[in-house]
Formats: sequence, C-alpha cells, structure tokens
Amino acid sequence: DQQVKQNSPSLSVQEGRISILNCDYTNSMFDYFLWYKKYPAEGPTFLISISSIKDKNEDGRFTVFLNKSAKHLSLHIVPSQPGDSAVYFCAASDSGSNYKLTFGKGTLLTVNP
Amino acid sequence: DTEVTQTPKHLVMGMTNKKSLKCEQHMGHRAMYWYKQKAKKPPELMFVYSYEKLSINESVPSRFSPECPNSSLLNLHLHALQPEDSALYLCASSLTGFNEKLFFGSGTQLSVL
Repeated sequence: DQQVKQNSPSLSVQEGRISILNCDYTNSMFDYFLWYKKYPAEGPTFLISISSIKDKNEDGRFTVFLNKSAKHLSLHIVPSQPGDSAVYFCAASDSGSNYKLTFGKGTLLTVNP
Repeated sequence: DTEVTQTPKHLVMGMTNKKSLKCEQHMGHRAMYWYKQKAKKPPELMFVYSYEKLSINESVPSRFSPECPNSSLLNLHLHALQPEDSALYLCASSLTGFNEKLFFGSGTQLSVL
C-alpha cells in the first residue's frame, strides 16, 4: 500500500527552465510534507517542507505547493541548474504517528546544460 | 554543527562476520533513526530511538541489533547477515521526532558476501 506516490520516475529539463516534481498521497491524516534531494551513495538532504495549514512555502529557488483537496503537492525549482540533478523524494508524516516518515519512490531529475 | 556522521562509509562482510555501524550527531537531537535503502527504492525505516530508548522496531530481523549508548551516538550491530541485506544504511536524527525534518548522514554502503 503506497501512501506517497511519485508517478514520474524521471524528469529532464533544460538549464534555466522550471522543474516541476509531483507527489500524490492517499492518507488524509498526513499533515506535514517534506522534499529531500539525494545524490548517489549519499544520504538525503532536506530541501523544503510544508505544513497542512499552508498551501505554499518558498525558499530561494524552491517552492512547494500543497493542494489538500486533491492530496497533491509539487516542488518547483526555478531556475533549474545542472547541480540540481539528483533524485528527489517526497515524504509525509502525520501528528498521530511520531517518528514515521513515509517516502515516495523518488523522481530522478536531470538538468541539461 | 548540522552534521550526522556515519562510519564506516563502506563495509564488506561475510555472512559469519560481526560488525558494527556507527552514527554520531552533536545537534542536541533526541530522536535518532536507522533507515535501509536499496538501489532505486525509497529509504525504509528500521529503528527509532527517542531519548535513548527504543521507540520503534519495524519488525527488523534479530541479526540487526541497535544500540544507543548516549544521546549523541547510535550503533547498529550486525551479525550473520544475508546477501540480501546488502544496502545503504542511513542514520538520521531529529530534534524530538514530532513532525519535523530529519537530518541524514551520508550512509554506510554495506555488501554482504
């Protein structure tokens, strides 16, 4: 039972353009969402998070949008840079299940120079 | 200091060996985690320690034995592993464990022969 889904295994964009990574979830109890970036053979690095009381959070080039009614969130990277090429994981947790972070399968982003 | 340090970075062991993975953080975090990640898969939670007590064991086989000697250190003792246990083992920490971001180490790439 996959509660966090990233349906696009990969995405390729040109340098300078916008990258949009999508994530869907099925558990309506999730109230905190995070995006992590991961390079091969390294640990995930936290990028940005959003609480369910908000619908948008921005940090520099990264913006996360949350649509609770659609159970959908997206990560926008503008402008995309070659160094952004990595696997991006969406993750979610709910207040009633401390410590448990549920990850999606990840999307491999490739930013071409 | 916002780092989670894991040693060793790489480990090759036979099925009869005993080895230990080590993790250290000095951020004052009171929740520490062990995750396992196979190639092209999301991280899977194994264990959680909260305030140095084991809070979650995700039905992990007993050949994996966690230990939390103090609030800064987390160990994972390995014994009689199987080749299918080969994976990237990630340590993470968070402030309290309640709906917050995790800081991950760079992982130990384990190969069981």
